[in-house]
Amino acid sequence: DAGVIQSPRHEVTEMGQEVTLRCKPISGHNSLFWYRQTMMRGLELLIYFNNNVPIDDSGMPEDRFSAKMPNASFSTLKIQPSEPRDSAVYFCASSFGLAVKQETQYFGPGTRLLVL
Amino acid sequence: DQQVKQNSPSLSVQEGRISILNCDYTNSMFDYFLWYKKYPAEGPTFLISISSIKDKNEDGRFTVFLNKSAKHLSLHIVPSQPGDSAVYFCAASAGGNNRKLIWGLGTSLAVNP
Repeated sequence: DAGVIQSPRHEVTEMGQEVTLRCKPISGHNSLFWYRQTMMRGLELLIYFNNNVPIDDSGMPEDRFSAKMPNASFSTLKIQPSEPRDSAVYFCASSFGLAVKQETQYFGPGTRLLVL
Repeated sequence: DQQVKQNSPSLSVQEGRISILNCDYTNSMFDYFLWYKKYPAEGPTFLISISSIKDKNEDGRFTVFLNKSAKHLSLHIVPSQPGDSAVYFCAASAGGNNRKLIWGLGTSLAVNP
């Protein structure tokens, strides 16, 4: 299996521009997670989907952030407009499990975003 | 407010010795704990986990101990190898239908040859 695939791996953009991060989860997994990692706050869960439906988006910082999962094999995280404080590494992770059982999350390599 | 705390940002040990990484938590509802390892420019990878009904789980060189009364868990690596040099994250879950993991800030382990 190819694992979780994220693109792009690196993104440099200017403040005010729209940024779209992409994720392909592991085939057969039914949950997908978007995380942001910064030095100060560590790994923060932004949003997660179960069976393509957003379940918990309480970590999404503000309306500038949006996430979609149109099908089981693709998800996007969009920032519009981007700001310098959005600079971070964004990880996508996927997992498979039952509703009441915690299961292992498998992470992609991350997208390093720099907003100038 | 950090519900999962890894108070040591870094740790350095000699190859062959034991590495002990610590993690404290504040939420008594947490019932499942995980350790992840992260190399530079890669995503975190799962290492080992423990349910709150246990106090120890072992997998090869890695053992996790859970002390519920102290709200403390630790990861032991014996013997430590240079390839173990990475950032180690502790994460916790409150279980149920919510699959949200709460993460510590990580401890950077350096194993010196």
